[in-house]
Amino acid sequence: EVQLLESGGGLVQPGGSLRLSCVASGFTFSSYAMTWVRQAPGKGLEWVSAIRSGTDNTYYADSVKGRFTISRDNSENTLYLQMNSLRAEDTAVYYCAKPQQLVPSWFFDLWGRGTLVTVSS
Amino acid sequence: EIVMTQSPATLSVSPGERATLSCRASQSVSSNLAWYQQKPGQAPRLLIYGASTRATGIPARFSGSGSGTEFTLTISSLQSEDVAVYYCQQYKNWPLTFGQGTKVEIK
Repeated sequence: EVQLLESGGGLVQPGGSLRLSCVASGFTFSSYAMTWVRQAPGKGLEWVSAIRSGTDNTYYADSVKGRFTISRDNSENTLYLQMNSLRAEDTAVYYCAKPQQLVPSWFFDLWGRGTLVTVSS
Repeated sequence: EIVMTQSPATLSVSPGERATLSCRASQSVSSNLAWYQQKPGQAPRLLIYGASTRATGIPARFSGSGSGTEFTLTISSLQSEDVAVYYCQQYKNWPLTFGQGTKVEIK
């Protein structure tokens, strides 16, 4: 079955760190770019970060640049998001998603179920 | 950053009637526009890409149109299972940006 499964969310204090994981199955993970998108409670979708199939091309939203790091382990079919210096406004459900096409046009046809990150003291 | 603006915020439509959702970009995105459907408690689902191409498995009652800065998602005959929030997303430039969403409900 083609799927993405996120994990690693939880409650963290402001200023703390968390690492999210997204395990892919059912497709050739190493061939696809990947992305993280988040959704604050009751709010809309916000793109966070993306990484091409090779690991040297990464992209970030200004809101997370310098605090979050996207990476991937193609041998483990896993995407990561290292989140440092967390703020209350980072509270959201974090989704990983896969572009539809190998040569990415950055729209996404496969999404995980999401993992909730809550930043609060 | 390209700002995506959706209207209306909420759309109430009778079953079987047409629903028309709008998305405007602050600058041209050509046809680099996707639409997603999100039901409560679920992840988004891709409906349309390239402004007008239906994704795999999407019913024909969903159609997209437009280019440049003005886009439309049309549900030709609203079904109860279409109750959801719909988002547009541009992928012309970084950062990728989404509209704020249009909530579609049954009248």
